[in-house]
Amino acid sequence: NAGVTQTPKFQVLKTGQSMTLQCAQDMNHEYMSWYRQDPGMGLRLIHYSVGAGITDQGEVPNGYNVSRSTTEDFPLRLLSAAPSQTSVYFCASSYSRGGVNTGELFFGEGSRLTVL
Amino acid sequence: AQSVTQPDIHITVSEGASLELRCNYSYGATPYLFWYVQSPGQGLQLLLKYFSGDTLVQGIKGFEAEFKRSQSSFNLRKPSVHWSDAAEYFCAVGAGDYKLSFGAGTTVTVRA
Repeated sequence: NAGVTQTPKFQVLKTGQSMTLQCAQDMNHEYMSWYRQDPGMGLRLIHYSVGAGITDQGEVPNGYNVSRSTTEDFPLRLLSAAPSQTSVYFCASSYSRGGVNTGELFFGEGSRLTVL
Repeated sequence: AQSVTQPDIHITVSEGASLELRCNYSYGATPYLFWYVQSPGQGLQLLLKYFSGDTLVQGIKGFEAEFKRSQSSFNLRKPSVHWSDAAEYFCAVGAGDYKLSFGAGTTVTVRA
């Protein structure tokens, strides 16, 4: 029962470097999303996808790109890392039942990113 | 736009005592409301949710929450806290489109 798997769990980057956070889910969920968690601010939505080939911006999309080529995978790309992107990143997936949104998000264990 | 306020940043409670975590939301229509729990170093896990119907909802681990439309609140309660309930708790509101807005979280410490 893998659920939502994120890699890497920890990463240190220098300002200006690029990297990709990987996210995979094995539950055949149509919806996937990326959140960042910062102290005192809860979780903020970066990007989301309602199905393969469909992505959209969330609350804080600047500096991040996503793509959804398959149902299972939803990578998050940092094009040119900045210290402000130091955070813990969570990938989440969800599903509908009978066409009704269940509203339940299944989270990965998080990826802690530090940008120096 | 929807938003959530959790007024309490940190709560300390004795083991066996009752717990109540406050959540106030802002949303123009009937909201989808959730409580999630995050143990240290882990992702978030759903405790309970409210979509419609009975305003008192039961969740996992002995938690319950009550939706009060007149107060725009969705407070989480547990009658008797266990040491394993020490964690961070997040209230979230959605509009039925998967995009949730989370509160800043309340950290619960349980003392013996």
